[in-house]
Amino acid sequence: EDQVTQSPEALRLQEGESSSLNCSYTVSGLRGLFWYRQDPGKGPEFLFTLYSAGEEKEKERLKATLTKKESFLHITAPKPEDSATYLCAVQAWTGRRALTFGSGTRLQVQP
Amino acid sequence: DVKVTQSSRYLVKRTGEKVFLECVQDMDHENMFWYRQDPGLGLRLIYFSYDVKMKEKGDIPEGYSVSREKKERFSLILESASTNQTSMYLCASSRTGRDTQYFGPGTRLTVL
Repeated sequence: EDQVTQSPEALRLQEGESSSLNCSYTVSGLRGLFWYRQDPGKGPEFLFTLYSAGEEKEKERLKATLTKKESFLHITAPKPEDSATYLCAVQAWTGRRALTFGSGTRLQVQP
Repeated sequence: DVKVTQSSRYLVKRTGEKVFLECVQDMDHENMFWYRQDPGLGLRLIYFSYDVKMKEKGDIPEGYSVSREKKERFSLILESASTNQTSMYLCASSRTGRDTQYFGPGTRLTVL
């Protein structure tokens, strides 16, 4: 059974204080690992897809990296508008095409 | 841009009512999904569909059914709503071969 564990559950940062969010996964052959951002009361917004260990992707202050067992979402010099819940999900090569999600990390960036 | 729309943002229904949640995508995606999201439990897959008139059960299909008569539309049906179906319902779509799922804004359903 595919499993995704995100840590920490919640993170409070000061504006400009860089940090990382962790996503550990167990999957029977990783097809893709996905990061989403979700604002309160809204649907998840796609950020990145990573396919193989060693791959990195960047978007503004966010950088996602992938190893064989985990992924990190690095946030550099965050701003208050980066406050949101960040969700990680995996998809396996075998079986269905749906994603298995972690419970998310709730990030709050204070000015 | 991919756009996924859901028929209602907020819905309040009574126990025992039949409830229809509609989802429409405008990017000709083959795959469509229904999830529910609850605090502490994350997103859980209810049903998904790879093609018109095709459906597959997800992890928590009990109490739900789905309909996909047209490629762009995927409906979730609660045959007899119960209070434990109070939740945020999220629809998503993806193109076969490109697995990124795009989500709608969600429907927050309250069953009284």
